[in-house]
Amino acid sequence: GAVVSQHPSWVICKSGTSVKIECRSLDFQATTMFWYRQFPKQSLMLMATSNEGSKATYEQGVEKDKFLINHASLTLSTLTVTSAHPEDSSFYICSARGDRPIGNQPQHFGDGTRLSIL
Amino acid sequence: KNEVEQSPQNLTAQEGEFITINCSYSVGISALHWLQQHPGGGIVSLFMLSSGKKKHGRLIATINIQEKHSSLHITASHPRDSAVYICAVDRGATNKLIFGTGTLLAVQP
Repeated sequence: GAVVSQHPSWVICKSGTSVKIECRSLDFQATTMFWYRQFPKQSLMLMATSNEGSKATYEQGVEKDKFLINHASLTLSTLTVTSAHPEDSSFYICSARGDRPIGNQPQHFGDGTRLSIL
Repeated sequence: KNEVEQSPQNLTAQEGEFITINCSYSVGISALHWLQQHPGGGIVSLFMLSSGKKKHGRLIATINIQEKHSSLHITASHPRDSAVYICAVDRGATNKLIFGTGTLLAVQP
């Protein structure tokens, strides 16, 4: 089945640091990637949708200058949390979706990144 | 009222029991997903369905489009089935998923 690799799985860093999270589709071309955030005991919250080669579309309330998303290739999207603060501590998950075969395709999820800002 | 409602929120079962988790939604959809999230956080897509019924091993998912309702069944449950099960609907136009709040399942040996 389709595999999405997310790295790193766990990050602890000091306040003010910028953190980059990578999301790779290993065996399919991901035309669309989604970035989610999940707080403890809550459901996933969509942060942004990115299509390869174009700017990401951010959900209302998500600061695009804070959460930089790059989707430069069909197999890689990155989320950079800039100048991270303790309130950015959360679980971040990506998902990827291809468009082959044509039609409604499922999203394939990464294993997530647990970010802790001290 | 949430657009996607799951029940129950918490479920404890004994090993071997037949388990049903329900999902109701109030919007038009192109597909419905059942996802499994283990304590470590990783999410596995179990099913994507737009009509009828799908089966994979001990898992069965059904959907009734007219009634806007889906069920996930686990037969012969096992402790390794313990996880959070999430229902998510795809509105189609943007492929954004709307998530239910999840069902925390604990299967005791």
